[in-house]
Parts: sequence; C-alpha cells; structure tokens
Amino acid sequence: GAVVSQHPSRVICKSGTSVKIECRSLDFQATTMFWYRQFPKKSLMLMATSNEGSKATYEQGVEKDKFLINHASLTLSTLTVTSAHPEDSSFYICSAGERRVDYGYTFGSGTRLTVV
Amino acid sequence: SQQGEEDPQALSIQEGENATMNCSYKTSINNLQWYRQNSGRGLVHLILIRSNEREKHSGRLRVTLDTSKKSSSLLITASRAADTASYFCATVDYNQGGKLIFGQGTELSVKP
Repeated sequence: GAVVSQHPSRVICKSGTSVKIECRSLDFQATTMFWYRQFPKKSLMLMATSNEGSKATYEQGVEKDKFLINHASLTLSTLTVTSAHPEDSSFYICSAGERRVDYGYTFGSGTRLTVV
Repeated sequence: SQQGEEDPQALSIQEGENATMNCSYKTSINNLQWYRQNSGRGLVHLILIRSNEREKHSGRLRVTLDTSKKSSSLLITASRAADTASYFCATVDYNQGGKLIFGQGTELSVKP
C-alpha cells in the first residue's frame, strides 16, 4: 500500500531559527500533498495544499511567509517553519493521496515541533 | 474549516463492548472516510463509504451513511484495549484539490 514518510518525528529548536519538515511518498507519485497542524486533543487543521511544480495554496489565516512549502518533485514536499516562535510549537502532519476518487489518503507519522 | 460535529467527543468503554461514534457533515459528498489516530502519531485510513452506499463492513468495523441527514456512524464491535485512539470522519472537497475536511474527532478509551 501507499506509504508516506515524514521526518523528523520530533524536533526542538530555539526561537528565531527555522525548521524544515520533509514529507515523501515512497511508492507512488503525489502531485498534491497536504499539510496539517494539530493542537493537543484537537482535530487536524489544514494549513496548505502543496502542488508539485507550482505554488502552494494556503488556507485562510495561515501565513505564507511563515510556513514555506516547497513541492519540487512528485515524491517530496517540505514545510519550513521560519523564524519559529513558541506559539508555533505543535504537531504537524502531511498527507498524500493517489488522486483517485474513492480512495483514502495516506498520512505521515507526524512531526512534534517544540520551540524553546 | 472543520466539517462538523462528532459525537461523542470522548467515549470510555470496557473491553468487549461495542463503541459507536457519530459524525455529521455539511456539504454534498462523493464519499466519507474514517481515520484512526493513535496518540502522537499520524492518521490511518480505516474505511471509506461512497455516497450511494448505506452501510459498509470491514472486520470489526461497521460504517453507516445517511445522506439525507448528512450523518455517518462508525461502530467498532467487540472492542479491544488496542482500539484506544482518536477517530475522525472526513470528507473530500474534490473542487478544491481533493483536500480532506475533518470532523472534531472522538477520543475512544477501551479499558482492559
């Protein structure tokens, strides 16, 4: 079945630094990947849709310059949290699907970001 | 934006009991999907039910869909402690790149 690999699983960084999170589709090509943010005991909030070879589509209220998304190939999308602050601490999850109607999506294992 | 409410928000049962979770949605759908999330992990796709289906089974899972009420339910029969997790329903917006829109989720605790 489809596998999505997300790295790192945990990262601790200092305020003001940038952190890059990678999301790879291992056995299928993903022209579209999705990035979510999840607060403790809450549902997933879609941040942006990552499109291969073009600009990402951000959800309302998500800062484009804060959360940089790059989807340079059909198997890799990256999310960079720039100039991180403690309020950016959260659980970030990516997902991808094979763009076939009536198929489920595959999620990465998530990245726990802690900004100190 | 979230699709709708899930009911209950939290559910605690004993092993062997059945667990029922409900989900409501707001838009027209092609299908509705259920996902499971273990604490601190990513989501795992459990089951998908198409808009023209009313009921679907997969192992100990039973999903129903009522498009007239815009609601779905997930039943886990003969629950096990390993079923402890959060469960989310989701619909797909194919008009917006296929993004998943999630419900609020139900946190299930199965006590041994």
